[in-house]
Formats: sequence, structure tokens, C-alpha cells
Amino acid sequence: KQEVTQIPAALSVPEGENLVLNCSFTDSAIYNLQWFRQDPGKGLTSLLLIQSSQREQTSGRLNASLDKSSGRSTLYIAASQPGDSATYLCAVSSAGNNRKLIWGLGTSLAVNP
Amino acid sequence: SAVISQKPSRDICQRGTSLTIQCQVDSQVTMMFWYRQQPGQSLTLIATANQGSEATYESGFVIDKFPISRPNLTFSTLTVSNMSPEDSSIYLCSVQGSSNQPQHFGDGTRLSIL
Repeated sequence: KQEVTQIPAALSVPEGENLVLNCSFTDSAIYNLQWFRQDPGKGLTSLLLIQSSQREQTSGRLNASLDKSSGRSTLYIAASQPGDSATYLCAVSSAGNNRKLIWGLGTSLAVNP
Repeated sequence: SAVISQKPSRDICQRGTSLTIQCQVDSQVTMMFWYRQQPGQSLTLIATANQGSEATYESGFVIDKFPISRPNLTFSTLTVSNMSPEDSSIYLCSVQGSSNQPQHFGDGTRLSIL
């Protein structure tokens, strides 16, 4: 049974720092992995999707990497800003006929001005 | 990406009543999903809404409690029936073009049952 873990559960950093959020999964037979952000009182915003055959994806100040064999993904945020404050969620789509997403609990990020 | 409108955004309901949540997408999408996010927990998939046929429910969720409609490729509803305080949660609609594309979410419905 696929399980997704995100570490740390919460993180507080000063503005301008580079930071890394971690996501691990127990079954390496995945189809893809997605990173989302959730702002308080809002739905989820898709940030990056990495297919199982890819090693990383980049969008602006965000870079997500995937090491399928070790069951890990990282989300790197460069030059953090207060507007980056949100909960970041990792979700894995398992290979096979049922490709539903399995979710981590998220990392709550606070970037302090 | 698709624009998803979810209504209502929040509601406070009495125990034993039912509430229908609507999800409208501005373009035709292949897949639509309904999730629940309980306080302090990760998202849980309730069901996949299938156009023109019965929804596919995940383990622990049944049609009598969470009836779902999907009359076309742009619209779906989720009803939370005979509500109890344990149903207090955020309910989220999401859409996906295909399995290798990102899922996109509505803003959710925050439901409180007294």
C-alpha cells in the first residue's frame, strides 16, 4: 500500500532563504508525482508534475526533483518570499490501472519578512 | 488550465439535513473527482465522477451517503446526505485531462454541521 510522508511538517524561514521540502513514498512503482500549494481558505494550486521517467521539473523559482528508486522527491524554493507562505502538498499517482493520487499531509511553510 | 467554480464556498448545516455541492468547469474535461479534507488530515478521494454513469466510489464511501451526478463533461454535483458533525470537512472538486496531466482544484466547500 502506497504511503506518502512529508518532512518537515512545518517550517519557518526568513525572507530570501533557499529551502527544501521533502516528500517520500513507499512504493517506487509510480506513474507521476505532483506538488501543490494550498493557501488558507483556498483550494489547491498545481505547481509541478514530474513523470516517472523524469528527474526534475522547474517553474520559476521552484525546482522539483524525483528519485524514484529511493522513493524521494524534493521541492526546492529559491529566494523565498512572504507570498510563498502556504501549505505544500505532495501527491503520488501509482502505476497500474488505478492511478488515483495518494497524498502526504503537507509542509506548512511560513516565510517571514 | 481549467477554471473551476465550486458552490457553495461554505455552509453551516443542521444535523440530519443534506447539502448539494456544485462543481462547474469552463471547458470539457475527461476526469472529475471529489475529495474530502478533514482537519489536520491529508486529502481523501471520495469518488470519481463518471459522465453518464454511476460514480466510482473509494473504500469507505457509499452512494447512499455521497450521491454524485455528472450529467456532462463540465458539471458535477456531490450531495452529503443525512449529515452528522463527523461530516464537517472541506470538500474539493478536481479535474484532470488525462493521467499524465496535473489535477486542478476548485476552492473547496467548507462544511460545518451543528
